[in-house]
Amino acid sequence: GNSVTQMEGPVTLSEEAFLTINCTYTATGYPSLFWYVQYPGEGLQLLLKATKADDKGSNKGFEATYRKETTSFHLEKGSVQVSDSAVYFCALSDDNTNAGKSTFGDGTTLTVKP
Amino acid sequence: DAGVIQSPRHEVTEMGQEVTLRCKPISGHNSLFWYRQTMMRGLELLIYFNNNVPIDDSGMPEDRFSAKMPNASFSTLKIQPSEPRDSAVYFCASGTRAGDTQYFGPGTRLTVL
Repeated sequence: GNSVTQMEGPVTLSEEAFLTINCTYTATGYPSLFWYVQYPGEGLQLLLKATKADDKGSNKGFEATYRKETTSFHLEKGSVQVSDSAVYFCALSDDNTNAGKSTFGDGTTLTVKP
Repeated sequence: DAGVIQSPRHEVTEMGQEVTLRCKPISGHNSLFWYRQTMMRGLELLIYFNNNVPIDDSGMPEDRFSAKMPNASFSTLKIQPSEPRDSAVYFCASGTRAGDTQYFGPGTRLTVL
């Protein structure tokens, strides 16, 4: 079955530091890959996505590249801000699942200190 | 667009009482998902519907949990009787098709005393 493994947290960084959160996946088909972000007290919201190999998703300074050869979708940001403190979830959606069901990683908590 | 709407936002109840959580998906979305989130177990998929039909309820923890989707714009998750270990944040999400984004509601924080 499908699975997503992401870097264990929590991760604590100083403002303006470089961020990497690793994510690898196992899937039977050709999934779309996502990063969702959850701010305190809120639901998950889409941060970025990529739908095929070598695609790069980007948003708000965050980037992730769909690497089929290494089955990875690592999240990066060159300079984090205090406002980036949140929980980040890597996810995949297999196109064999007509209902759009997604498989989520366990989430990585990021704290950015001023 | 109003996004996914959940009610109530907070619910405090006593053990043994019935609890009903409500969700209105985004108009035009044909898939609906119920999740539970706790510190210990993380984010768990409980059940999901496609075109109002339950597709997979294998994540529903016990027979005390039930979910319905009587029409395309409304779903309920019911717990009867509730227990303290059901305390969690319950999220509803909606989507359109395979490979697409899920849109989450703000969640219902349930506390069972």
